[in-house]
Amino acid sequence: KQEVTQIPAALSVPEGENLVLNCSFTDSAIYNLQWFRQDPGKGLTSLLLIQSSQREQTSGRLNASLDKSSGRSTLYIAASQPGDSATYLCAVIDPPGNTGKLIFGQGTTLQVKP
Amino acid sequence: DTGVSQDPRHKITKRGQNVTFRCDPISEHNRLYWYRQTLGQGPEFLTYFQNEAQLEKSRLLSDRFSAERPKGSFSTLEIQRTEQGDSAMYLCASRPRGDTQYFGPGTRLTVL
Repeated sequence: KQEVTQIPAALSVPEGENLVLNCSFTDSAIYNLQWFRQDPGKGLTSLLLIQSSQREQTSGRLNASLDKSSGRSTLYIAASQPGDSATYLCAVIDPPGNTGKLIFGQGTTLQVKP
Repeated sequence: DTGVSQDPRHKITKRGQNVTFRCDPISEHNRLYWYRQTLGQGPEFLTYFQNEAQLEKSRLLSDRFSAERPKGSFSTLEIQRTEQGDSAMYLCASRPRGDTQYFGPGTRLTVL
C-alpha cells in the first residue's frame, strides 16, 4: 500500500530565504507526482506535476524534483515571500489503468515572516 | 467562473441528521473525485466516477455514505445518520483526459 510522508510538518522562515520541502513515498512504482498549495479553509491549487519519466519541473520560483529510485521528491522555493505562507501537499498519482486517484502526504505548513 | 464549484461551502448539522453535498465539475471533465480532509491531515480518497459510473470506493466510505453522478455531470455526496467523526472538509475534484486534478473550494461539515 502506497504511503506518502512529508517532513517537516511545519516550517517558519524569514522572508527571502530559500527553502526545501520534502516528500517521500514507499512504493517507487508511481505514475506521476503532484505538488499542491492549500490556503487555510480553502481548496487545493496545483503547483507542479512531475511525470514519472521526468526528474524535475520548474515554475517561477518553484522547482520540484523527483527521484523514484529513492522514493523522494523535493519542492524548492526560492526567495520566499510572506504570500508563500500556506500548506504544501504532495501527492502521488495512482497508475494508469487504475483510477488516477491522488494519495496525499499530511502536508507541510509554511510560515514566511516579513 | 468556470472552475469546480461545491455547495454548500459550510454545513453545521446535529448528530443523526442526513446531509447532502453537491459538486459541479468543470464542464467536459469526465472524471470526478471526492476526498475527505480532517484537520492537519492531507486529503483522503473517497470515491471516483468516470462519466456516470462509480468505479472505485474507498473503505472509508461506509454504508452511511452514498455518492451519485447522474448523467455524468454534477455529483452528490450524501451522508446518512451523521456522526461527530464525519466532521471534515469534503473536497471534489475533476479531471480531463490529462493528469491534473482541479479542486473545488470544499464543503466544511461540522457535526454537533
